Amino acid sequence: AQSVTQPDIHITVSEGASLELRCNYSYGATPYLFWYVQSPGQGLQLLLKYFSGDTLVQGIKGFEAEFKRSQSSFNLRKPSVHWSDAAEYFCAVVSDSNYQLIWGAGTKLIIKP
Amino acid sequence: NAGVTQTPKFRILKIGQSMTLQCTQDMNHNYMYWYRQDPGMGLKLIYYSVGAGITDKGEVPNGYNVSRSTTEDFPLRLELAAPSQTSVYFCASSYPPGRGATEAFFGQGTRLTVV
Repeated sequence: AQSVTQPDIHITVSEGASLELRCNYSYGATPYLFWYVQSPGQGLQLLLKYFSGDTLVQGIKGFEAEFKRSQSSFNLRKPSVHWSDAAEYFCAVVSDSNYQLIWGAGTKLIIKP
Repeated sequence: NAGVTQTPKFRILKIGQSMTLQCTQDMNHNYMYWYRQDPGMGLKLIYYSVGAGITDKGEVPNGYNVSRSTTEDFPLRLELAAPSQTSVYFCASSYPPGRGATEAFFGQGTRLTVV
């Protein structure tokens, strides 16, 4: 069965530092991949998505992600984090059986002042 | 622009009680979903609907029921609430996913506690 793994449950970075959140997926063909962000007490908001084409995808709020087929990864990056980026981040892939989203467990980002 | 609206935001239920979580969307999306979110577990799909009158089970449907009488509304019914149903519930909607998949739009969630 398809799966999405986010190996880091929590990540703490200093404000202004760079960020990379890891996401690995299991899939045979070219996957459809997403990153969502969930601020405290809120629903989920789409940051960016990858379907095909350029493997470096730009999203909202200064985030980007790179699809690497050889590593089955879709890591999320930001060059300089802001305190407002503190949130939980979810990676997801579209299932090839019923086209529903399969979710990673999430990574909670903590920003140190 | 309302998007996806869920009510209530918070609810405490006693074991064995029933309730309906309401969800409505104004984007004319065919697809609607109910998820539950438990700490460290990501989102688990409870039920989904591909259009009015059509619903299907997701990953964790036991203890829940849904209906879809209109495009806009997709209520989730809990019968005989159990402590294991303590969770945060999210409703979402989208255009048909899959090839050229589009994003899902989420409501703000309902935090349910069963005591």
